[in-house]
Amino acid sequence: KNEVEQSPQNLTAQEGEFITINCSYSVGISALHWLQQHPGGGIVSLFMLSSGKKKHGRLIATINIQEKHSSLHITASHPRDSAVYICAAGYGGATNKLIFGTGTLLAVQP
Amino acid sequence: GAGVSQSPSNKVTEKGKDVELRCDPISGHTALYWYRQSLGQGLEFLIYFQGNSAPDKSGLPSDRFSAERTGGSVSTLTIQRTQQEDSAVYLCASSRYPGELFFGEGSRLTVL
Repeated sequence: KNEVEQSPQNLTAQEGEFITINCSYSVGISALHWLQQHPGGGIVSLFMLSSGKKKHGRLIATINIQEKHSSLHITASHPRDSAVYICAAGYGGATNKLIFGTGTLLAVQP
Repeated sequence: GAGVSQSPSNKVTEKGKDVELRCDPISGHTALYWYRQSLGQGLEFLIYFQGNSAPDKSGLPSDRFSAERTGGSVSTLTIQRTQQEDSAVYLCASSRYPGELFFGEGSRLTVL
């Protein structure tokens, strides 16, 4: 069965802290996505990666294909980073045919 | 337009009625995806279209659900004989193939 698991489910941090969200998946994938959803808001794609590491501003995403594991890091966290972060795996040869994780609710307190 | 456009943004219907949800993808994006976000099931894949290829319908939950994409652009998701468990936010996304996903704001469907 294809599964995507995220941890933690909930995370509270103080402003400025370094944050890590983890994602593991059970089968070979074509791509791994990190998505962001603010409360009551739409979904925004943060990263799509199939190997290595990507960085955008204070956000860094890494993936280890052999271990079937990916991490999303937020450096110098800020209250505006408070959102649900969702990991999703593209499978079946299609990068965007996705199985979604259950999401991590992040609250960054000032 | 600049982004993925979905309509209606909200739809309330009675059980047993048919509904149509529309998605207008970003111009030039050959791939179009429908996903569903519900309280009980989280986010799940429904169907995707890639260029002129036959759509991948493997995520559709029942034969009451169907979708089409006309002219390689606008897509319509149709739900026949709606049930209360169909209540969810239906999300459309588009991308170049392969490429980053761009999501619409979603159509919130409530079945009474």
